[in-house]
Amino acid sequence: ETGVTQTPRHLVMGMTNKKSLKCEQHLGHNAMYWYKQSAKKPLELMFVYNFKEQTENNSVPSRFSPECPNSSHLFLHLHTLQPEDSALYLCASSQNLAGPIVYEQYFGPGTRLTVT
Amino acid sequence: AQSVTQPDIHITVSEGASLELRCNYSYGATPYLFWYVQSPGQGLQLLLKYFSGDTLVQGIKGFEAEFKRSQSSFNLRKPSVHWSDAAEYFCAVALNSGGYQKVTFGTGTKLQVIP
Repeated sequence: ETGVTQTPRHLVMGMTNKKSLKCEQHLGHNAMYWYKQSAKKPLELMFVYNFKEQTENNSVPSRFSPECPNSSHLFLHLHTLQPEDSALYLCASSQNLAGPIVYEQYFGPGTRLTVT
Repeated sequence: AQSVTQPDIHITVSEGASLELRCNYSYGATPYLFWYVQSPGQGLQLLLKYFSGDTLVQGIKGFEAEFKRSQSSFNLRKPSVHWSDAAEYFCAVALNSGGYQKVTFGTGTKLQVIP
């Protein structure tokens, strides 16, 4: 595998289910991100991790719970979601968030989530 | 706070025609600027980036972009569009202040290519 992979690619879940999204990067990066992409809305940054430490949480509801066990893996645990949470969830990685240079982000293909 | 505006939500061009997608940003200093492309059902792919130096930057797939400080713009161009260029294009601006980095994406421009 190369680049950034995400599983599953599609997920349908009921509002009472618990599921997890997985992201893995094979680029040797140290920063990882979760984004939410809804139709007709800007890309929303949800969480940022740098060297496994969470550096940003953009007022995301607690029904979304991120986990970053190491710099290569990122999870998004989902619980008691609402229909409005249906969206494309994108994972991205970049070299790191420290230092003077802003590195570009590399994106996975996303998980299309539908909450019924 | 920085912001980025892509004024055109949707653009239609004929195959072989030239293309220019607009991007304007608001930020006090020279930001880091990026253009990404997203094909249906896919994640975003970096087309090109600007940090400093030559204001005309070349990217992949025949795209280029020009940084114009006086206009706070970073427009994306391609001389001759191919049907495979149909996708959504995102401009992004990033700041780096005291070790704190923040990237803001525009709302995207959807490109339709007609034969």
